[in-house]
Amino acid sequence: DQQVKQNSPSLSVQEGRISILNCDYTNSMFDYFLWYKKYPAEGPTFLISISSIKDKNEDGRFTVFLNKSAKHLSLHIVPSQPGDSAVYFCAASLNNNNDMRFGAGTRLTVKP
Amino acid sequence: GAVVSQHPSWVICKSGTSVKIECRSLDFQATTMFWYRQFPKQSLMLMATSNEGSKATYEQGVEKDKFLINHASLTLSTLTVTSAHPEDSSFYICSATRDRGASQHFGDGTRLSIL
Repeated sequence: DQQVKQNSPSLSVQEGRISILNCDYTNSMFDYFLWYKKYPAEGPTFLISISSIKDKNEDGRFTVFLNKSAKHLSLHIVPSQPGDSAVYFCAASLNNNNDMRFGAGTRLTVKP
Repeated sequence: GAVVSQHPSWVICKSGTSVKIECRSLDFQATTMFWYRQFPKQSLMLMATSNEGSKATYEQGVEKDKFLINHASLTLSTLTVTSAHPEDSSFYICSATRDRGASQHFGDGTRLSIL
């Protein structure tokens, strides 16, 4: 049962433009959401997170939006840079207990 | 720099052999470590959660006798794939956290290929 879904396996964006990565979840009990970035042959690295009590969290070029009623979150990267090219995983957890469920990932390619 | 070290990064071995993967937290004591498995183009699937000094908690569908997890110290957890077969070929990633609620730090993963 895939509780966290990233329906776009890939996304291509021009440098300087906005990248929007989407994630949907089915379990309304999830209360903490995270985005991870992964380069080939490396483990995921934490990017940004958001608690379910918020609807937006911003950190530099990265902003995560949470729409609880739609069970949807998105990651905005602006402006996109070629170094942002990687696979981005969305994850959700219950009671912030580290038991995370991951989406399948979206491969972002930022073209110079 | 890396805070979690995973070794080896790549293993190729014959069917029937057992393979041990190590996960070390480098500059903190990890009360909890997690083991994930990733198939190509699929998400990271949690296999088990291990707490130092106690038995690991396995996710539904994960064979505990097949995937032996030992968390003998606060800086080391090991995953042993026993009697590995080609269907066990996958990318295995560990993560570690100081305590419940803290961020997970991931290792770089181990690519396991069983011939």
